[in-house]
Amino acid sequence: GQSLEQPSEVTAVEGAIVQINCTYQTSGFYGLSWYQQHDGGAPTFLSYNALDGLEETGRFSSFLSRSDSYGYLLLQELQMKDSASYFCAVSRGGSYIPTFGRGTSLIVHP
Amino acid sequence: DTAVSQTPKYLVTQMGNDKSIKCEQNLGHDTMYWYKQDSKKFLKIMFSYNNKELIINETVPNRFSPKSPDKAHLNLHINSLELGDSAVYFCASSLSSNTGELFFGEGSRLTVL
Repeated sequence: GQSLEQPSEVTAVEGAIVQINCTYQTSGFYGLSWYQQHDGGAPTFLSYNALDGLEETGRFSSFLSRSDSYGYLLLQELQMKDSASYFCAVSRGGSYIPTFGRGTSLIVHP
Repeated sequence: DTAVSQTPKYLVTQMGNDKSIKCEQNLGHDTMYWYKQDSKKFLKIMFSYNNKELIINETVPNRFSPKSPDKAHLNLHINSLELGDSAVYFCASSLSSNTGELFFGEGSRLTVL
């Protein structure tokens, strides 16, 4: 089977840096993706890592270590609008269908 | 020009009824999906479909069935609705199935009374 673990909630203040971790157990791992979802909204794609290392997109970066079955999403210069749920999702070779973790609620305080 | 559109956005119905949710994507994508998000925000894959293959999550009751009249549409039919079917159902699509990037519709909130 598969399992993904991420913290249920993270809080931080505006302007800070926050890291949301994701550990996974799956056979046939292919890639790890990250999504953001605001309350009442749809999940929106943030990043995807298939290879080890850091991918940077503006204020957001995502990291993957395949040997450790671990990844994280790094959010810099936090803004109030970053308050949302963040999901990691694992894709397996073959079907490639993203399987989502239970999400991390990020609360950004002034 | 919504990329992935679902209708209806809200659906309230009685137990035992049959209902459908429609999904259309105008992105020219090859693969479409249905996910169910429960009250605890858990996003669970229900189906994945491209023009070659339907992949069904084996935990999905057979009261749920996807129907794809063409590559741009993947509708969800639900028979004999139960209280536990209440959730938000998201349609999504991807250009290819191995990039991890899904484009989601706005969701359809189903409430079964």
